[in-house]
Amino acid sequence: DQQVKQNSPSLSVQEGRISILNCDYTNSMFDYFLWYKKYPAEGPTFLISISSIKDKNEDGRFTVFLNKSAKHLSLHIVPSQPGDSAVYFCAASALIQGAQKLVFGQGTRLTINP
Amino acid sequence: DTEVTQTPKHLVMGMTNKKSLKCEQHMGHRAMYWYKQKAKKPPELMFVYSYEKLSINESVPSRFSPECPNSSLLNLHLHALQPEDSALYLCASSRQFTGELFFGEGSRLTVL
Repeated sequence: DQQVKQNSPSLSVQEGRISILNCDYTNSMFDYFLWYKKYPAEGPTFLISISSIKDKNEDGRFTVFLNKSAKHLSLHIVPSQPGDSAVYFCAASALIQGAQKLVFGQGTRLTINP
Repeated sequence: DTEVTQTPKHLVMGMTNKKSLKCEQHMGHRAMYWYKQKAKKPPELMFVYSYEKLSINESVPSRFSPECPNSSLLNLHLHALQPEDSALYLCASSRQFTGELFFGEGSRLTVL
């Protein structure tokens, strides 16, 4: 039972253009949604998050949009830069037994072409 | 200090060995996590400690034994592992109630 899904395993975008990564979830109990970036042989690095009570959060070039009725969130990166090339994981968090349980999607490999 | 430090970075062990993975953070976070990640797969939650007590065990086999000696340290004791347990083991910590986890670089485990 995959609670968090990223249906695009890969995405290729021209430098300077907008990158849009998508994520769907099934569990209405999630209270935070997050995006992580991962390079090979490193741990995931936190990028941006959004509370379930909001529909948009912006941090520099990164914006996350949440559509609760559709159980869908997206990450917009604009303008895209070559250093943004990495695997991006969507994650959803729920408070369970006093701790935040984070469930990850399968990841999307983003490649920014010069 | 915004780091989660994991040791060792690489570990090779036989199926009869006993070894431990260590994790340390000094950010004052009271929740600590062990995740397992296989190649081309997302991280999968194994254990969560909250205020030094085991809160979540995702039905992990008993050959993996977590320990939280204090609020800054988290260990994962390994015994009688199988080759399919070979993976990247990630430790993370978090402030409470935000879901933002800080990950270490991971310990790459190979079981022969």
